[in-house]
Amino acid sequence: GQQVMQIPQYQHVQEGEDFTTYCNSSTTLSNIQWYKQRPGGHPVFLIQLVKSGEVKKQKRLTFQFGEAKKNSSLHITATQTTDVGTYFCAATNAGGTSYGKLTFGQGTILTVHP
Amino acid sequence: KAGVTQTPRYLIKTRGQQVTLSCSPISGHRSVSWYQQTPGQGLQFLFEYFSETQRNKGNFPGRFSGRQFSNSRSEMNVSTLELGDSALYLCASSWETQANTGELFFGEGSRLTVL
Repeated sequence: GQQVMQIPQYQHVQEGEDFTTYCNSSTTLSNIQWYKQRPGGHPVFLIQLVKSGEVKKQKRLTFQFGEAKKNSSLHITATQTTDVGTYFCAATNAGGTSYGKLTFGQGTILTVHP
Repeated sequence: KAGVTQTPRYLIKTRGQQVTLSCSPISGHRSVSWYQQTPGQGLQFLFEYFSETQRNKGNFPGRFSGRQFSNSRSEMNVSTLELGDSALYLCASSWETQANTGELFFGEGSRLTVL
């Protein structure tokens, strides 16, 4: 079945440093979404990317979708302690019907040291 | 506007028992999906319901089942519980009427412990 590989698994940064997490798929994706889960919480939707080469920004967060629609990244500039949590990418395959099914990456656990 | 509500939030069962989890979606959302989250396997898709019909199913054994009611509320059931079923079960709702999955709104989950 479809797999989405996400790296790194863990990332420890000092407050103010940048952070990037990457997702890769061996198959072409229809779209990719990003979610954030705070410790003890539930996944919360951040953004959806649909177009090849798409770049979207939300304040300090920058999301990219690869030209081949097989990879994506999330970059946080100047991390803050409020950025702590696990960041997941979640994808649907191209050419099919997904009906509620997202394939999640393993997630990157971000720790920010003040 | 109320979010996705899941009950119970926590429960403890023993092997062989069965469990029923409930999910009330955001008002107006007709699609309800269920996911299992474990430290080892991460977030895995169980099934999705829309207008009381199961439209999609993940790779879980038949012990895992679900249903949706006419008011879009959904339940999932796990029979003959195994230790490996210990997990956070997340329900998500969406406006989704089309084939490709859009934004999912997750509930806080039901944490199941099987002893």
